[in-house]
Amino acid sequence: SQTIHQWPATLVQPVGSPLSLECTVEGTSNPNLYWYRQAAGRGLQLLFYSIGIDQISSEVPQNLSASRPQDRQFILSSKKLLLSDSGFYLCAWSSRDRGPGGQYFGPGTRLTVT
Amino acid sequence: AQSVAQPEDQVNVAEGNPLTVKCTYSVSGNPYLFWYVQYPNRGLQFLLKYITGDNLVKGSYGFEAEFNKSQTSFHLKKPSALVSDSALYFCAVRDAGGYNKLIFGAGTRLAVHP
Repeated sequence: SQTIHQWPATLVQPVGSPLSLECTVEGTSNPNLYWYRQAAGRGLQLLFYSIGIDQISSEVPQNLSASRPQDRQFILSSKKLLLSDSGFYLCAWSSRDRGPGGQYFGPGTRLTVT
Repeated sequence: AQSVAQPEDQVNVAEGNPLTVKCTYSVSGNPYLFWYVQYPNRGLQFLLKYITGDNLVKGSYGFEAEFNKSQTSFHLKKPSALVSDSALYFCAVRDAGGYNKLIFGAGTRLAVHP
């Protein structure tokens, strides 16, 4: 079966510090990968998606970047965090081989920028 | 434009009573529809999906959803609510732009009272 991991689970960082959040998927190959941010425990905002190694699409302009150095690894980064980067970050994957099967989410990372 | 609407911010129901969480959508072409549930500080969990076929879709934890093409709705239902069903529920439709991207509704908070 497939499993998706995210770490760290929680993070408190000062304004201006760098950020690196990691997401890995097990039990599948060649997945589509996604990063979302959820503010105030409500709506989801798609930040980035990736259809393959080093193939990243950005959905909104922002202070963040994403990379996919390996097939099942997706990293969210920032060089200098802003207060507005606080939120709950969710990684998700979907299969490219099984049609419109939806997305499957990781446990999330709670980021607080102070 | 593609969109998903969840018209209720919150739904309150007594334990043992039936529950309905509403969702309407707007897409071009055939819709692929999904329901997810989110417990506090957790990732989204997949509940059920409609791709094609029977309009009544059964999912996890006793939930079901009814697809109504003429009303462009996909309401989530459960015959008898449990206190443990209290959570945030998201409806989503697959983005026609591809890559299994999803368009999410704003979410509905379900509160089941003992």
